[in-house]
Amino acid sequence: AAGVIQSPRHLIKEKRETATLKCYPIPRHDTVYWYQQGPGQDPQFLISFYEKMQSDKGSIPDRFSAQQFSDYHSELNMSSLELGDSALYFCASSFGQGVGAFFGQGTRLTVV
Amino acid sequence: DQQVKQNSPSLSVQEGRISILNCDYTNSMFDYFLWYKKYPAEGPTFLISISSIKDKNEDGRFTVFLNKSAKHLSLHIVPSQPGDSAVYFCAASATSGTYKYIFGTGTRLKVLA
Repeated sequence: AAGVIQSPRHLIKEKRETATLKCYPIPRHDTVYWYQQGPGQDPQFLISFYEKMQSDKGSIPDRFSAQQFSDYHSELNMSSLELGDSALYFCASSFGQGVGAFFGQGTRLTVV
Repeated sequence: DQQVKQNSPSLSVQEGRISILNCDYTNSMFDYFLWYKKYPAEGPTFLISISSIKDKNEDGRFTVFLNKSAKHLSLHIVPSQPGDSAVYFCAASATSGTYKYIFGTGTRLKVLA
């Protein structure tokens, strides 16, 4: 069965550069969530979208932005990268809201 | 402020015995709860969920119990298998008006053969 696809799987960027992470939800899923997991930490909610509209916002820095496109895929744009942005970034999708979400494999971002 | 807490960072259980993972929450608006299993460098895998209208949900070897008055839920794995060794996260959401999941800090389960 198709799962949540995230690309790239690994990304190395220098400080102050920009990164774009992509998430392709499970077909027919209309809700996408983004999470950040730092080393030794639990996943922290960043932002979510339902039907291409932002539905909720968590601890997402102002340097980050995200959107969900007409085909329901989502992109997380990160600018002025800092060393502390190094983390695993997970995307999850669900059909409808308030139901179990399925996670992608994550993108490991390393800022050097 | 940690709204979802898993107070046991780790747990070791013998193969074939029961594993009980606990989770407490503080926000009374939470009405939907999930358990995820996570291996290193992989995304969390959804295991089982429970809505606040129920106090128990069972799926194979996994059972989740919810005690709303105590704001407590637990995941029981019976019988435990070595392949169950992973980090388990509970997550909670309030389905009215917000759609984000708040994760607990995780419990590392080790099932000993």
